[in-house]
Amino acid sequence: GDSVTQMEGPVTLSEEAFLTINCTYTATGYPSLFWYVQYPGEGLQLLLKATKADDKGSNKGFEATYRKETTSFHLEKGSVQVSDSAVYFCALLKGGQNFVFGPGTRLSVLP
Amino acid sequence: DADVTQTPRNRITKTGKRIMLECSQTKGHDRMYWYRQDPGLGLRLIYYSFDVKDINKGEISDGYSVSRQAQAKFSLSLESAIPNQTALYFCATRLGTSGISEQFFGPGTRLTVL
Repeated sequence: GDSVTQMEGPVTLSEEAFLTINCTYTATGYPSLFWYVQYPGEGLQLLLKATKADDKGSNKGFEATYRKETTSFHLEKGSVQVSDSAVYFCALLKGGQNFVFGPGTRLSVLP
Repeated sequence: DADVTQTPRNRITKTGKRIMLECSQTKGHDRMYWYRQDPGLGLRLIYYSFDVKDINKGEISDGYSVSRQAQAKFSLSLESAIPNQTALYFCATRLGTSGISEQFFGPGTRLTVL
């Protein structure tokens, strides 16, 4: 079945450091790919998405590029802030089917 | 006002008790979902509903039941709660007719079964 794998956390960075959170997927066909973010005490909210190969999703300084050849959708940010501390989930969606979420990666950014 | 609301936000109960978690949405979405979140396991789908007359089991439906009372309401019940159902529960909605559309999540219900 379809699955999503993320790098294990927690990830701890200093403010203004560069962030990469790896995400790879296994799926037949051509899924759409998403990053969701969960701030403390809140539900998940969409951060960015990409619907086809080589698309780049971006939002709030975060970026991720849909790489079909490596089945990856790594999340990057050039300079993280304390307010970026959260749990990040990679997810895929195929057609009319349901989302498949990765296990989440907790990010802590220290001042 | 929040688009997806969940009640209660926190609940502590005892083994064997019946519990109902409620979800309401004002987004007009046809699809609704219940997930549970456990540390290190991400989100796991319990049940989902594509419209009022459609209910489907997810990957971990055992020990749970649901009711879709209206398009805007989707309730999750634990008929006889057990400690390993202690988790964070999320309701989500999605517009099924718009192709590649995101899910919108409620704030979550933290359930503790003693």
